[in-house]
Amino acid sequence: EAQVTQNPRYLITVTGKKLTVTCSQNMNHEYMSWYRQDPGLGLRQIYYSMNVEVTDKGDVPEGYKVSRKEKRNFPLILESPSPNQTSLYFCASSIWGTSGTYNEQFFGPGTRLTVL
Amino acid sequence: AQTVTQSQPEMSVQEAETVTLSCTYDTSESDYYLFWYKQPPSRQMILVIRQEAYKQQNATENRFSVNFQKAAKSFSLKISDSQLGDAAMYFCAYSVLGNSGGYQKVTFGTGTKLQVIP
Repeated sequence: EAQVTQNPRYLITVTGKKLTVTCSQNMNHEYMSWYRQDPGLGLRQIYYSMNVEVTDKGDVPEGYKVSRKEKRNFPLILESPSPNQTSLYFCASSIWGTSGTYNEQFFGPGTRLTVL
Repeated sequence: AQTVTQSQPEMSVQEAETVTLSCTYDTSESDYYLFWYKQPPSRQMILVIRQEAYKQQNATENRFSVNFQKAAKSFSLKISDSQLGDAAMYFCAYSVLGNSGGYQKVTFGTGTKLQVIP
């Protein structure tokens, strides 16, 4: 089954304790992206990656790191989490595509993170 | 930077009636995509409909259609014959394509919560 998986689905942690949220897709997609969703703010893009070793900042990258060492994985790293990073996080992936073609983004199920 | 504005935080519609959700955006690009996503209580993001900016014809998907006004930078979603299962948060989104056609940044609006009244 084609899918985007995220782990963990729920996480409660404390301020300053490094954590990693994993994202994996089995569709051989080049493009992957991380979003956070907060009430009243919608989804905001954190980082995206066009292919292995190619990443770029979205609108809210502060406090986050990413890496893309393999095509299927795109982990989100919080080196020193703070309470303002409490949020619902989504990973998504897509074919990179060719000019003029449309490629749907497939979203993971979300990770609910609480930082105390 | 591109922005997407959904000015209706909440909307309600009677079952079987029609409702229109509003979305405006700001961009200096000429080639881009616009999307409406549905997020039910399960939190899963579900693509409802998309529109390519270079296409003048409004996109339709069964009971869902859009009114795309490029000059006005407006992209509204019309839901006809509303059903109880349509109750969800709806997000408008915008994306510019890169030179090779792939996504770059994606910008979402703040969402409209749709209630369907039996």
